[in-house]
Amino acid sequence: QSVLTQPPSVSAAPGQKVTISCSGSSSNIGNNYVSWYQQLPGTAPKLLIYDNYKRPSGIPDRFSGSKSGTSATLGITGLQTGDEADYYCGTWDDSLSAVVFGGGTKLTVL
Amino acid sequence: QLQLQESGPGLVKPSETLSLTCTVSGGSISRNSYFWGWIRQPPGKGLEWIGSIDYSGSTYYNPSLKSRVTISVDTSKNQFSLKLRSVNAADTGVYYCARAPGGSASDIWGQGTMVSVSS
Repeated sequence: QSVLTQPPSVSAAPGQKVTISCSGSSSNIGNNYVSWYQQLPGTAPKLLIYDNYKRPSGIPDRFSGSKSGTSATLGITGLQTGDEADYYCGTWDDSLSAVVFGGGTKLTVL
Repeated sequence: QLQLQESGPGLVKPSETLSLTCTVSGGSISRNSYFWGWIRQPPGKGLEWIGSIDYSGSTYYNPSLKSRVTISVDTSKNQFSLKLRSVNAADTGVYYCARAPGGSASDIWGQGTMVSVSS
């Protein structure tokens, strides 16, 4: 059971928009920055979003992040078949004194 | 361009110690403000943070693994290491090393190394 809760799967058609939610508590998302990762099959995770909404160099603006209270959301617009991957949210948990991750969401581009 | 590479045995016997090293190339491991960490992923499952070490040598461990884990840094070799004691089958998975500027978000990852725990 992950500390952060994500939907197991989401799907959308090419060109459409999808959002992935990440729910936590006041000890983690509510009080710390959230990051998002993309993991393509058989590869290492790749940082997509840090500090709730910032994108590392090279990450297209199709990817966006937001946070409200104890929840965070990853948005992906203009979906491409290459976006099919597992997506994870992560943050620091003050109570656990540990980095915690969501269970991951599998994105299918139909 | 900074790169990280994990190395170590791919097979460890139950009750023994899993030892992995992460070699950092293209930059110094001693740079202030960076954390260096380990994350693992059991087959078909999600990510689990194991722990981190910061630029001052302070360590931070997952409470669920803390009693079995040691992370250390060798600045002369530009490497950091993971030791996980008393392993069992549940410790099987891909182990990643990563850099985390500021602590939480990991921006550079190694390719990962598969470790199986089996007799």
